[in-house]
Amino acid sequence: QLQLQESGPGVVKPSETLSLICSVSGGSLRSSSYYWGWIRQPPGKGLEWIATIYYSGTTSYNPSLQSRVTISVDTSRNQFSLKLNTLTVADTAKYYCARRGISVSDPFDSWGQGTLVTVSS
Amino acid sequence: SYELTQALSESVALGQTARIACEGNNIENKNVHWYQQKPGQAPVLVIYRDIHRPSGIPERFSGSNSGNTATLTISAAQAGDEADYYCQVWHSNTVFGGGTKLTVL
Repeated sequence: QLQLQESGPGVVKPSETLSLICSVSGGSLRSSSYYWGWIRQPPGKGLEWIATIYYSGTTSYNPSLQSRVTISVDTSRNQFSLKLNTLTVADTAKYYCARRGISVSDPFDSWGQGTLVTVSS
Repeated sequence: SYELTQALSESVALGQTARIACEGNNIENKNVHWYQQKPGQAPVLVIYRDIHRPSGIPERFSGSNSGNTATLTISAAQAGDEADYYCQVWHSNTVFGGGTKLTVL
């Protein structure tokens, strides 16, 4: 059974860069059938898509975050990562990694449990 | 950019039918997905491509999509259905609705 597990620092200072990793087990990132993505949720608020990546390295980004975000994949470790720079308190959120089907119209059908990131000095 | 509008909250009596709407311009031309999120948990896909249920999702959950409104219907609502529900489409980018909090009375 596919499992996704986020890992990250928990607390990051304003203006710094957040680095998160999603470790995938029970399935391969190299699958040609899926994309892999990051979604976040500020406390008490809704879901916001951040970015998506294919195992080959093809990426897409939320235009509102694109200038600060980088998503990457490490197929040898079966992990993909997110970097978000120039953090502000508005970036405080639970960050989820998830799997999406090959089509842009496919849903995110499997999610990690999320990792809470607090931006605070 | 494309916007999806959901009511902040809905309530339903135990055992009755809940309907949660997701409004967007000509949304009938898009594939709509629905996620259930219980407190402290990750979202779970309950309906995909308007009407399809993933394995393990009860038949009480159904979806429809027409005109400018997609609807998630929960029949015979149970206490365990109390959750936030989000709709999602793709329109140049992945877009989520703001979410509806369902209360089962």
